[in-house]
Amino acid sequence: DAGVTQSPTHLIKTRGQQVTLRCSPKSGHDTVSWYQQALGQGPQFIFQYYEEEERQRGNFPDRFSGHQFPNYSSELNVNALLLGDSALYLCASSLYGAANTDTQYFGPGTRLTVL
Amino acid sequence: AQTVTQSQPEMSVQEAETVTLSCTYDTSESDYYLFWYKQPPSRQMILVIRQEAYKQQNATENRFSVNFQKAAKSFSLKISDSQLGDAAMYFCAYRGYSSNTGNQFYFGTGTSLTVIP
Repeated sequence: DAGVTQSPTHLIKTRGQQVTLRCSPKSGHDTVSWYQQALGQGPQFIFQYYEEEERQRGNFPDRFSGHQFPNYSSELNVNALLLGDSALYLCASSLYGAANTDTQYFGPGTRLTVL
Repeated sequence: AQTVTQSQPEMSVQEAETVTLSCTYDTSESDYYLFWYKQPPSRQMILVIRQEAYKQQNATENRFSVNFQKAAKSFSLKISDSQLGDAAMYFCAYRGYSSNTGNQFYFGTGTSLTVIP
């Protein structure tokens, strides 16, 4: 059973650049959520995608955008990178509408460093 | 907004001993879910245990159990017979049940657990 996968593992960018992170959900899952985890902090919710639409969004600026594909995989895009965007970006998947949609399964994350 | 507080940034325990990690949360909802996740240095967030707020019985998963006090909004994790592999950052998380909060998870700041051989 394939778990949640993310790519790339690490990424280094400079201020002002744009970045795209990718996530494939656990087999059988149709919902993807993205989180930002700054060093020494807990994950902060960015947004969630289901049926290729953004369903819910946390307190993040419009520079953060996403997309979900028909195969349920997802991308997180960040434009005009700032130093403060340096963090571990986590993807989590779940099954929308099922009895256990409360539980999210996380990928290993992408470490983004902005110089 | 929902908040989750973990007041113990670091904890340590001797191997084979028992340790309790604390978590409190703030919510106006009556139905919700609570979780403990473990994040080892490999960064993968692993589900340890989950609790449904409408269930009074405390959840148990092998050596891991919770003490859920709904009125006090407290959700502590007890690890019995601690093993070296338990060393990790532990996060307490809350998920609401209303249309306002949807599937959003709220995480605490984490407790770093060290297991001493």
